[in-house]
Amino acid sequence: DSGVTQTPKHLITATGQRVTLRCSPRSGDLSVYWYQQSLDQGLQFLIQYYNGEERAKGNILERFSAQQFPDLHSELNLSSLELGDSALYFCASSVDHGRVVEKLFFGSGTQLSVL
Amino acid sequence: AQKITQTQPGMFVQEKEAVTLDCTYDTSDPSYGLFWYKQPSSGEMIFLIYQGSYDQQNATEGRYSLNFQKARKSANLVISASQLGDSAMYFCAMRELNNAGNMLTFGGGTRLMVKP
Repeated sequence: DSGVTQTPKHLITATGQRVTLRCSPRSGDLSVYWYQQSLDQGLQFLIQYYNGEERAKGNILERFSAQQFPDLHSELNLSSLELGDSALYFCASSVDHGRVVEKLFFGSGTQLSVL
Repeated sequence: AQKITQTQPGMFVQEKEAVTLDCTYDTSDPSYGLFWYKQPSSGEMIFLIYQGSYDQQNATEGRYSLNFQKARKSANLVISASQLGDSAMYFCAMRELNNAGNMLTFGGGTRLMVKP
């Protein structure tokens, strides 16, 4: 068990809908990262939050947004869903409190299926 | 340019034998970390081993060791005494300290299949 909790594990929805994925980082970790894994694109970095603030953005679509709350949990919102958004979405956390490279630990992922 | 390259899309290994999964990386940042993750068919991403760019010794974690050759920019994963449960996708990844956000960048993965 990595200590990172993601809910739900599976989500089935229809095109055009909006969903929210939730992530609770490991205790003490300040950074939360979101990744998308699809068959054709591999593992793609979406966005990072550090202690409530957005720190880095990757290949995140404008239809997607995220936030990190004061208790450090994070939510990824996906709207106007398309078939191509079907993927495994991972959250990862890291302590990132100093000038060293820290380990990232992943949640078990949310499998999103858009029908 | 690809930052992380895994040249073996798929590999077979006989149970109880050792196997090496290749990974090369590209960075100009002197401070970075290299990671290996295992993704079984159930989908979770399991952390296996970590090597820091300043570490003098190769990292080891049980049956996993990382063959770190800094000058060659390679970080191969060695799994000793393969078990059937080692069948999975394996991803090599890198974090660069001075990269804004210092997120993990992943390679394309290697699918390892252990034969009984």
